Amino acid sequence: AQSVTQPDIHITVSEGASLELRCNYSYGATPYLFWYVQSPGQGLQLLLKYFSGDTLVQGIKGFEAEFKRSQSSFNLRKPSVHWSDAAEYFCAVGTEGSARQLTFGSGTQLTVLP
Amino acid sequence: GAVVSQHPSRVICKSGTSVKIECRSLDFQATTMFWYRQFPKQSLMLMATSNEGSKATYEQGVEKDKFLINHASLTLSTLTVTSAHPEDSSFYICSASQGALKGYEQYFGPGTRLTVT
Repeated sequence: AQSVTQPDIHITVSEGASLELRCNYSYGATPYLFWYVQSPGQGLQLLLKYFSGDTLVQGIKGFEAEFKRSQSSFNLRKPSVHWSDAAEYFCAVGTEGSARQLTFGSGTQLTVLP
Repeated sequence: GAVVSQHPSRVICKSGTSVKIECRSLDFQATTMFWYRQFPKQSLMLMATSNEGSKATYEQGVEKDKFLINHASLTLSTLTVTSAHPEDSSFYICSASQGALKGYEQYFGPGTRLTVT
């Protein structure tokens, strides 16, 4: 069965600083990887996804993520964080098959200091 | 495009009653809809997967008689929590997918906060 680990429960960065959120996955086949962001009391918004091809994926809001098969990682990065980026971030792995079910990590809460 | 709505956004019900949550894909037809449950400060746990016109597939540990899922059309799925108890209080989120047509991407609704008193 697939699993996703987000080792950092909570990260605090200053506005303008760079950000990296870690994600490690376990899946026996080719992973479909996603990063979602959730604001308080809201649903999830897709930031970016990786299916195949270029291992550096660009997303919305200036985010990018790099797939590293050798490390089973899909870390999310942003060069300069904005106060509006404060939210909960979830990494997810999608299964193969017709349903493409998602398994989510436990999430990382991002706090941005002024 | 790809907007998913949920209704209601918040609901409070008394213990023992049933409550229905609707999930609609507003501008696309969803071949598959998913229902998730999220406890405070925790991740999303998949409850069930439903395809239009067929019975939902429930994840292990999810009581199908308690959480009734109906996917009557390509734009509407409903989750009914029957005989609700305080432990059913949670944030319920649905998502909808167009399948292979759109790379199996799931579009998420804004969620429904259920409080059982």
